[in-house]
Amino acid sequence: NAGVTQTPKFQVLKTGQSMTLQCAQDMNHEYMSWYRQDPGMGLRLIHYSVGAGITDQGEVPNGYNVSRSTTEDFPLRLLSAAPSQTSVYFCASSFGTGANYEQYFGPGTRLTVT
Amino acid sequence: SQQGEEDPQALSIQEGENATMNCSYKTSINNLQWYRQNSGRGLVHLILIRSNEREKHSGRLRVTLDTSKKSSSLLITASRAADTASYFCATDEAYKYIFGTGTRLKVLA
Repeated sequence: NAGVTQTPKFQVLKTGQSMTLQCAQDMNHEYMSWYRQDPGMGLRLIHYSVGAGITDQGEVPNGYNVSRSTTEDFPLRLLSAAPSQTSVYFCASSFGTGANYEQYFGPGTRLTVT
Repeated sequence: SQQGEEDPQALSIQEGENATMNCSYKTSINNLQWYRQNSGRGLVHLILIRSNEREKHSGRLRVTLDTSKKSSSLLITASRAADTASYFCATDEAYKYIFGTGTRLKVLA
């Protein structure tokens, strides 16, 4: 199994540009989520999904969109990039919801917005 | 807002010593998890403790949970240089995992 994969690994955007961060998992996990990690801030939840066709907002959803058309994929879209979105983005998945199951994390995408 | 807050924020110890880090949280939980993050990498799950458990062991890791104080501790015994990493606690809140700010552990050889 490849586990959780994320692309790209690095990305530089100009303010106002849009892009999609890709996340895929091959473990048939129902639960998937996106986090951003800023220095000294820990991980903050952006959006999550409890299954295909179902998504919901996390702690910091503004400026981001998600969709979940398949169990495997959970892309994160930045609508109009801003310097405040410079961060490291992690995708994660797990069998179930809540904290009954461990989450598996991808390697992250380092995004810089200039 | 962050559910879990780790303490201390940073910890530096000698190889072979024990490392203890603490996590406090705000609301009732079903379970609490600890994760490790090596520099520049994704998080790796270490251990899960359920709300009806008080202590759990996994290799050199010992986790305790005190639901009355809304706190948990992670003890790493006989630390190694390879344990150098950031450690996060995570709790659940209605289908969401909420992570703390982390403890940066440095183990000196």
